[in-house]
Amino acid sequence: DAKTTQPPSMDCAEGRAANLPCNHSTISGNEYVYWYRQIHSQGPQYIIHGLKNNETNEMASLIITEDRKSSTLILPHATLRDTAVYYCIVNNNDMRFGAGTRLTVKP
Amino acid sequence: DTAVSQTPKYLVTQMGNDKSIKCEQNLGHDTMYWYKQDSKKFLKIMFSYNNKELIINETVPNRFSPKSPDKAHLNLHINSLELGDSAVYFCASSQVRLGRLAGNNEQFFGPGTRLTVL
Repeated sequence: DAKTTQPPSMDCAEGRAANLPCNHSTISGNEYVYWYRQIHSQGPQYIIHGLKNNETNEMASLIITEDRKSSTLILPHATLRDTAVYYCIVNNNDMRFGAGTRLTVKP
Repeated sequence: DTAVSQTPKYLVTQMGNDKSIKCEQNLGHDTMYWYKQDSKKFLKIMFSYNNKELIINETVPNRFSPKSPDKAHLNLHINSLELGDSAVYFCASSQVRLGRLAGNNEQFFGPGTRLTVL
């Protein structure tokens, strides 16, 4: 199963873009990259997913490198409510949540 | 309307008791799950249930048993509760079953049930 590596924490200024990296160097060709976040004491929330192409929805953008070994989740204009733990997951067979990245958006 | 709901939100009980946590989804999804989030905040899948097919994480003690009266419900029964069972339990649902490698496996999670065993 593919593993992911994320920085344990990041800070971002309110209104600026938050770029959250994820390494998944052992990803297989047919495995998707999924991003979730967990705001304190709440259930995880789906954000976005992709296979090869970059994806964008109302919440975020997902940039996947051409070799698919890493990806970046972009929150274009971070708000205080985006403070959360962000999880990058590959191999959706068993949804292995790692430690994620704790993003703190500061005023 | 809440997509995935759980009851109760908090559950405090004594060691050795038997308890249940209920989960309901109104999304029309085919698959439901139970996760455990321990004190270190790691989320681990416990079960997935799809069309009467139960997939169990082999690390889950057999004191834990999911019961599905219908497609919209997956309840979690826990027998002989132990101190180490204290955690937050999350229910989730998705349109398709994990492992299908389809591009629509996004899961919708409930608000969680905080279980404290004394």
